[in-house]
Order: sequence, then C-alpha cells, then structure tokens
Amino acid sequence: SAVISQKPSRDICQRGTSLTIQCQVDSQVTMMFWYRQQPGQSLTLIATANQGSEATYESGFVIDKFPISRPNLTFSTLTVSNMSPEDSSIYLCSVGAGWGQPQHFGDGTRLSIL
Amino acid sequence: TQLLEQSPQFLSIQEGENLTVYCNSSSVFSSLQWYRQEPGEGPVLLVTVVTGGEVKKLKRLTFQFGDARKDSSLHITAAQPGDTGLYLCAGTTNSGYALNFGKGTSLLVTP
Repeated sequence: SAVISQKPSRDICQRGTSLTIQCQVDSQVTMMFWYRQQPGQSLTLIATANQGSEATYESGFVIDKFPISRPNLTFSTLTVSNMSPEDSSIYLCSVGAGWGQPQHFGDGTRLSIL
Repeated sequence: TQLLEQSPQFLSIQEGENLTVYCNSSSVFSSLQWYRQEPGEGPVLLVTVVTGGEVKKLKRLTFQFGDARKDSSLHITAAQPGDTGLYLCAGTTNSGYALNFGKGTSLLVTP
C-alpha cells in the first residue's frame, strides 16, 4: 500500500493564525481526502482533494476556512485558516483508488490552538 | 445523523478474553471496512467485506458481514494487549460515494 507522509505531525498555534498541512504520497493515487478527528472520536470528512480543480467540500466545511490544493497526483495541502480553539483536532490525509474504496491514512497532524 | 452505529463504545477486558464489536445501520452498504487506530497514528485497514453473509478471518480476528449488508461484526478471540486501540467500521451506501465512519469502539486489553 501507499506510504503517506504528513507534515507537521503536531503544532500549537495562536488564535487567528493559519496553518498549512502537507500530505505527500510515494506513488500516484486517484483519490485524496482530508478528515478531521476529535480526540477519541470518529472521522469526519472535510473534503475530497481533486487534482487540477477545486476540492469538493462536505456539508459544514467551506473553502474559505479550509482551502485545499492538489497540484499533482502525489501531493495535497490543507490550510486551516483563522484558527480558533474549536479547530483543535487531528487532521488526517488519506488516499484511495476510488469512491467508497478502502483508504490508507497518514499518521495525522495534531493541532492545538491557544 | 450517524449512518453507522458501533457498540460498545468502550470495552476494557483482560488478556485472553473474547469480545465482539458490532456495527449496525438501517442502510444497505455496498462494502464495509474495518480499521484499527492506535494512539498517535492514522487508521489502518484490517479488512473489507463486500458480499452479504461473508466471513473473513485475520489470525484471531473474525469479521462478518450481515446477509442484508446492513450490519457487521468483529470478533476477537483470546485478546492480547497488542489488540488495544480504536476500532472503526466504515462503509459506502449505494446512494453515496463517501466513506461513512462509525464512532468507533475503544478497546483496552490489560495483561
């Protein structure tokens, strides 16, 4: 399976700032996804990162707050903008072969906002 | 609305005991997956089931997909401390494309 590297692994940020999380895959993949996971909780899909076009966001998530880039088939970024303490969470990148197919996850970025 | 309901939410058992985790829905799933997540890591895929009534075994883990493809179970035999983690079921319905995750079962196996 693909090897997925996420950076940074963790960060502590000030309220009102923005942070960009990177997701690098060691092979070309069809689908890339971004999830949010509250500690000890399940995963909530933020958006699907589409190569060469705008990301597809799930209900409750907007591009202004979570801009996503996917310049090629191996790399994507998620920015958490104008952060507040409610954004403290684990952010996970995953890849898959297609809709509904099994996904492989990075180890996540643990984000704390003060 | 949670599409997949997992039970129990928490489970603490002693090494050597058996346990079953359930994943239930009122919706039909075209496929269902089980993941295990350890602290500080991302979820790791354990198995995918696609056929109603299907049973898959992975060492001491037995996965079953319901005949109607609305539910699944994970049975662990003779649990070991290394089985500790968050177990997540996830699936896709025929009417959607996204992978829907259950809330997870947090398992603690003590020596």
